[in-house]
This record gives sequence, structure tokens and C-alpha cells, in this order.
Amino acid sequence: GAVVSQHPSRVICKSGTSVKIECRSLDFQATTMFWYRQFPKQSLMLMATSNEGSKATYEQGVEKDKFLINHASLTLSTLTVTSAHPEDSSFYICSAFRDTSYNEQFFGPGTRLTVL
Amino acid sequence: AQKVTQAQTEISVVEKEDVTLDCVYETRDTTYYLFWYKQPPSGELVFLIRRNSFDEQNEISGRYSWNFQKSTSSFNFTITASQVVDSAVYFCALSSGNTGKLIFGQGTTLQVKP
Repeated sequence: GAVVSQHPSRVICKSGTSVKIECRSLDFQATTMFWYRQFPKQSLMLMATSNEGSKATYEQGVEKDKFLINHASLTLSTLTVTSAHPEDSSFYICSAFRDTSYNEQFFGPGTRLTVL
Repeated sequence: AQKVTQAQTEISVVEKEDVTLDCVYETRDTTYYLFWYKQPPSGELVFLIRRNSFDEQNEISGRYSWNFQKSTSSFNFTITASQVVDSAVYFCALSSGNTGKLIFGQGTTLQVKP
């Protein structure tokens, strides 16, 4: 299957700082990428849809000014958690959408964010 | 509204037992896709299967099998002769239309004891 990478895999930061997470589609161009969040022992929840060359679409309840998404190229989407607080500590996973006719998408390995 | 329900929060079996993980979904769309993912302790999601709404044929892959029944809106997953390495959290997910957005069930934690 296709490969999607995320960087960093793990990050610890102080409250109030901003953290950037990168999601890269390594072997195909993805016009659409998704960002999910998973709190401990919970399910994955879609945060936003990242579209190359346009603004991201956020799910209800997700603060767009806090979670900045940039999809500057067909292989890279970034999620920036601004002014992070302990409640933002979570596992963030991206996916790259390859084929709309077959709904084929590939997940990155995830980024574990801990805010102290 | 779209929804995925995995009623079993945790299942514990002894190695070599068969186990079925239930998944019930809700959607008003006629075109949709159903998925199963495995999430080991590392956190990375492992894709197991994708099935579209027009293909009700059951599928078998090694020790894994899936039963898709539109009449009951269910997409159940069976592991035959379970092994310790099958221990993980399993998620059922739904994607309606061609948006690609996935709605995940709550997940079922499977523990296979030796």
C-alpha cells in the first residue's frame, strides 16, 4: 500500500507553545488529507479536511484558530496546534485520500502530543 | 445521520478460540464504504478491509472473515483460531458517498490470552 509519514512521532511541549505536525504522502499526490484526533482509550474523531490549495474544512466543535491546517502541496499537509494546553494532549493521525471512486485512503503512523 | 456502533467494548478469549466483533452502522446514503482497522499498542492503524455498499459478498482472508448484511446494517468481523498477536483495538468505520471522511465506531478491545 501507499506510504504516509508523520513527523514528529512524539512531541512534548510546554503549555502555551505551538506545535507543528507534518503529514506527507510519499508515493502519490493527495489533493485531500484528513486529520483525526484520538484521546486515550477513545475512538478517532475527524477534526478537519485538508484540501490542497484551499482552506481546510473543520468539523463542528473544532476551533479553526487553534488548529491551523495548511495543505501547501499535493504531498504535504501540516497541522499546527497553537497555544497548546494540557487538554490538547492527544494522538493526532492524518490520512491521505487517493481514490475518490474507490474511497482509498492511507493513514500515517500518528503523532503523540503531550502538553505539560 | 451517520453512525457506527460497536457494542462490545472489551472481549477476552483464550488462544485458538473463534471471536466475532460486531459492527452496526447507520446511513441514509445508498453509496457508502465500510472498513475495519486494527490498532495495536503502537497506535498505528492497520487497514484490514474495505467493502462498498454494492458488494454484499462475504470475504475471507486467512483467519479473518467478514459478514456484510445490508438488511441488518451490520458488518461483523470474525477471527478464527485467535492468536495472542491478534490482541489489539479493532475499529469499524463508515464513509458515505465519496467524501473520504471516516466515522469510526467506539472500538472493541480484544485480548487473546495464551
